[in-house]
Formats: sequence, structure tokens, C-alpha cells
Amino acid sequence: QKEVEQDPGPLSVPEGAIVSLNCTYSNSAFQYFMWYRQYSRKGPELLMYTYSSGNKEDGRFTAQVDKSSKYISLFIRDSQPSDSATYLCAMSGMDSNYQLIWGAGTKLIIKP
Amino acid sequence: NAGVTQTPKFRVLKTGQSMTLLCAQDMNHEYMYWYRQDPGMGLRLIHYSVGEGTTAKGEVPDGYNVSRLKKQNFLLGLESAAPSQTSVYFCASNMKGLAGGSEEQFFGPGTRLTVL
Repeated sequence: QKEVEQDPGPLSVPEGAIVSLNCTYSNSAFQYFMWYRQYSRKGPELLMYTYSSGNKEDGRFTAQVDKSSKYISLFIRDSQPSDSATYLCAMSGMDSNYQLIWGAGTKLIIKP
Repeated sequence: NAGVTQTPKFRVLKTGQSMTLLCAQDMNHEYMYWYRQDPGMGLRLIHYSVGEGTTAKGEVPDGYNVSRLKKQNFLLGLESAAPSQTSVYFCASNMKGLAGGSEEQFFGPGTRLTVL
């Protein structure tokens, strides 16, 4: 079993829909949780960063961490075609020597 | 600032050939990383460096070597390429964070390598 599980998709939704992307993990020592966005043929770039549990909001994006369930989510409101990309979750903690452990990435397609 | 740059962008090798991938960053970052990305596998760490002159093995180090002779450069070498090393290779860097480098990593554009 991988330390971080993420459904690879693709997930296809119409423009304007609310998108929910999720990752589950097995290591309870993870403290830092991140979402990266990767456009086709580009390197990943950091989208959201959360320390420990709770919610964080940035514009149309909301990141949630539920450490009790070992579950993190990224919500995208009013989705746009420009949001079409692969979204990778990543996390780290003392057990991983603070190296990032990555999910496989979910490919998201927003249909105009 | 150019950020993180990678050379070359594309390469095709024959089995057994060798090559070196170059990563350069102009952000004065302490930490640098080499990842490979394969379909359905996400990013897997090959080697990393926590400072000039240091290197360490990641999750999938076999068949690769690295060197960090200068702070701004991190080289990834394939001594005898194999078809299993066909992949997209990403270099990344970051500052030494409060938790020892767990904060944002900045990525290069990638190198697409095919080994025939």
C-alpha cells in the first residue's frame, strides 16, 4: 500500500462546477500538506500549503486537512477551463525526514 | 530571475549510453532534488542534496548518480541507460525551511528522456 493514495482520474466536470479532489494517507506523523498544480508538459507549482489540521482558503480554492481521518481535500469553486491540469497532493513530516511524499496526481478536465 | 532551469529539454538515448542532466537555480536555495515522473506513479525522489558538496539517496536511486559541486547546480548522471529509465525528470529546489526543507519546492520545466 502506498503511503499516499490519490485517484488518478481523469475527472471531467462542466465549467462552473465545484470540484473536490482528495488524498488519503497512512502516516499519522505527516504535518505539512500541500497541493501542487501541474499543467501539461510543465513542472508542478505550489497551489496551497497547510500545516496540521484545518481549512485554508485562497480565492476559489479551499484546502482541508482532517488528520483524524488521514484525509485531505482541495475544493475548487466556479471551476474554469484554465483549471484543467493535474493536481498532486504532497505531504511531509518528521518520519519522512521532511521529504515530500507525493500522490500520483488527479487529472482534472473542465469542459467549457 | 530564471528560477530553476534544466538542460536538455529532450533526449533520446540508446541502451547502454550515458548522459548527464544539468539543473541550475538562481534563488540561492540550499536544498535541491531530482525526481522522475511516470504515468500513474506521481513524483518519485531519485537523489537530493541539502547543501553544496552533499548528496543523499531518495526512493529510487539505482542506476543514477549525482553531484553538487556548486550550490547553484545539481547534476544527474546515467552511466548506462536502460529502457526502464525512460521518464520525465524534474529538478526542484527550496530554502531550508523551519522544519528542514518541507516548504515550497520550485520545479524546473522537466527533461523528457527516452531510452531505446
